[in-house]
Amino acid sequence: NAGVTQTPKFRILKIGQSMTLQCTQDMNHNYMYWYRQDPGMGLKLIYYSVGAGITDKGEVPNGYNVSRSTTEDFPLRLELAAPSQTSVYFCASISGFHEQYFGPGTRLTVT
Amino acid sequence: GENVEQHPSTLSVQEGDSAVIKCTYSDSASNYFPWYKQELGKRPQLIIDIRSNVGEKKDQRIAVTLNKTAKHFSLHITETQPEDSAVYFCAENTGNQFYFGTGTSLTVIP
Repeated sequence: NAGVTQTPKFRILKIGQSMTLQCTQDMNHNYMYWYRQDPGMGLKLIYYSVGAGITDKGEVPNGYNVSRSTTEDFPLRLELAAPSQTSVYFCASISGFHEQYFGPGTRLTVT
Repeated sequence: GENVEQHPSTLSVQEGDSAVIKCTYSDSASNYFPWYKQELGKRPQLIIDIRSNVGEKKDQRIAVTLNKTAKHFSLHITETQPEDSAVYFCAENTGNQFYFGTGTSLTVIP
């Protein structure tokens, strides 16, 4: 099993550009999460999904969108990138026992 | 479930000493409390967790205690080693969401 994978690893965006952060898991987990981690801070929940076709907002959803068409994939979309979205983004999925498996992260810089 | 306070923000200990990190939460419905270790540039990794029906859990040199009445839980690391140096995050789970503390940077001095 590859676990949770994320692409890209790094990206630099200009203000106003858009992009999609990809997240895929091969553990057949129903629950998937997107977090952002700002320097020196904890993780903040952006969006989550409890299964294919179902998504919900977390603490900091503004400026982001998600979709969940399959169990495996949970992409995060930034439509109009802003400097405030400079962060490290982690995707995670959860086993039936609540243990979160995190992807390696995407480091995004918006300039 | 939105407020998880974590203290201290930085902690330095001598190798072999113990380290204790504390978190408080506000939502009495919280029922799962994991602790994560994050090394520089890496993803968070679960090191221990505790559920609301348990007061203490131990795994080798690591233990977690939970006081539901006072709404706080703590991570205890005994016989610290240099490889324990990292940032540690507490979190709490309410419903489908997780809320994280702001992290404790632990340095173990050889």
